[in-house]
Amino acid sequence: DTAVSQTPKYLVTQMGNDKSIKCEQNLGHDTMYWYKQDSKKFLKIMFSYNNKELIINETVPNRFSPKSPDKAHLNLHINSLELGDSAVYFCASSHRDRVTEAFFGQGTRLTVV
Amino acid sequence: LAKTTQPISMDSYEGQEVNITCSHNNIATNDYITWYQQFPSQGPRFIIQGYKTKVTNEVASLFIPADRKSSTLSLPRVSLSDTAVYYCLVGAGGYQKVTFGTGTKLQVIP
Repeated sequence: DTAVSQTPKYLVTQMGNDKSIKCEQNLGHDTMYWYKQDSKKFLKIMFSYNNKELIINETVPNRFSPKSPDKAHLNLHINSLELGDSAVYFCASSHRDRVTEAFFGQGTRLTVV
Repeated sequence: LAKTTQPISMDSYEGQEVNITCSHNNIATNDYITWYQQFPSQGPRFIIQGYKTKVTNEVASLFIPADRKSSTLSLPRVSLSDTAVYYCLVGAGGYQKVTFGTGTKLQVIP
């Protein structure tokens, strides 16, 4: 049973397209996150949701829009994709009071061509 | 979260004990110290967390001196499968973002 699952695992798309990445967790956590890991392996938080409410919204272009239909799901929609959006995107979850003990998904490798 | 500093990379032979040190001079009173492991093409995985002194689990040990301005992750008798990037983080719970540093890339050599 996968704790945090993301789909798709790989995503290759052309510039200007719109794409979505889905994330689901079955750990009963109330907080979910999106992270971006670039080619230099820096891992940066993008968004954090607690019980479907946006808690953290880092400086991310507004082409990126997270959606949390319920506390077990956090999807990431990206409009007008650019070459610089190519990266690995990780979904994670935790309990609100244990944010440093997060469980991460396998990642989605997005390549924009 | 307090900023952390750790070596960029380390090499070790199989079977040796590996110690990775992390500096966190600005750690706050209620901050915990957490270490993650990331294998290539996978998400980071929580391996150990501590507040002070020593914590040990089935994967690693974490040593924290009394002033808590640094911590050392100890991996006993590493194998090739321990080749990964190890991240040190400090912070507490609540609505705060988890910030990963550059991590230490450990390469285990046969």
